[in-house]
Amino acid sequence: AQSVTQLGSHVSVSEGALVLLRCNYSSSVPPYLFWYVQYPNQGLQLLLKYTTGATLVKGINGFEAEFKKSETSFHLTKPSAHMSDAAEYFCAVSDRRNYQLIWGAGTKLIIKP
Amino acid sequence: DGGITQSPKYLFRKEGQNVTLSCEQNLNHDAMYWYRQDPGQGLRLIYYSQIVNDFQKGDIAEGYSVSREKKESFPLTVTSAQKNPTAFYLCASSIDGTNFPYEQYFGPGTRLTVT
Repeated sequence: AQSVTQLGSHVSVSEGALVLLRCNYSSSVPPYLFWYVQYPNQGLQLLLKYTTGATLVKGINGFEAEFKKSETSFHLTKPSAHMSDAAEYFCAVSDRRNYQLIWGAGTKLIIKP
Repeated sequence: DGGITQSPKYLFRKEGQNVTLSCEQNLNHDAMYWYRQDPGQGLRLIYYSQIVNDFQKGDIAEGYSVSREKKESFPLTVTSAQKNPTAFYLCASSIDGTNFPYEQYFGPGTRLTVT
């Protein structure tokens, strides 16, 4: 069965610093991969997704992620953190049998002024 | 504007009562989903529906029921059989749930508290 691991339930960075949120998946076939963001007491919003093609995917709000098959990873990065980036971030992988999403536990991003 | 609405935003119930959470979408999406979110556990799938008048159990369907009588509506009933119903409930939809992993669009959520 597929699974998703997000390393670190909380990540703290200073404003202006690099943001790196880690996501590893287990899958016997190349999956489809997603990053979503959730602001407090709100629903989730898609940041970016990888289906096929270019392994470096650019998303909204300056975020990007790179699919690395050899490392079974899909880490999310942003060169310079803003206070408005403080939120919870979820990585998800699509099950190729029925296209349901399998979710990581989430990482809360804390931005220090 | 197209989107997904969930009502109410906050819901309080006494233990032993059934409660129905509303989810409506005007995106003309075929597939709809209900998730439960608890701190530190990510999202867990309760039920999903890929087409009107059809739905399937997700990973944690026990104590919940759904219906899909109209394309735009997918209400979730939390029954008294659900042992720990207090949680944040999220409804989502996607264009198609069977042919491609289209992105899921989420509603704002309903926070249910049962005492």
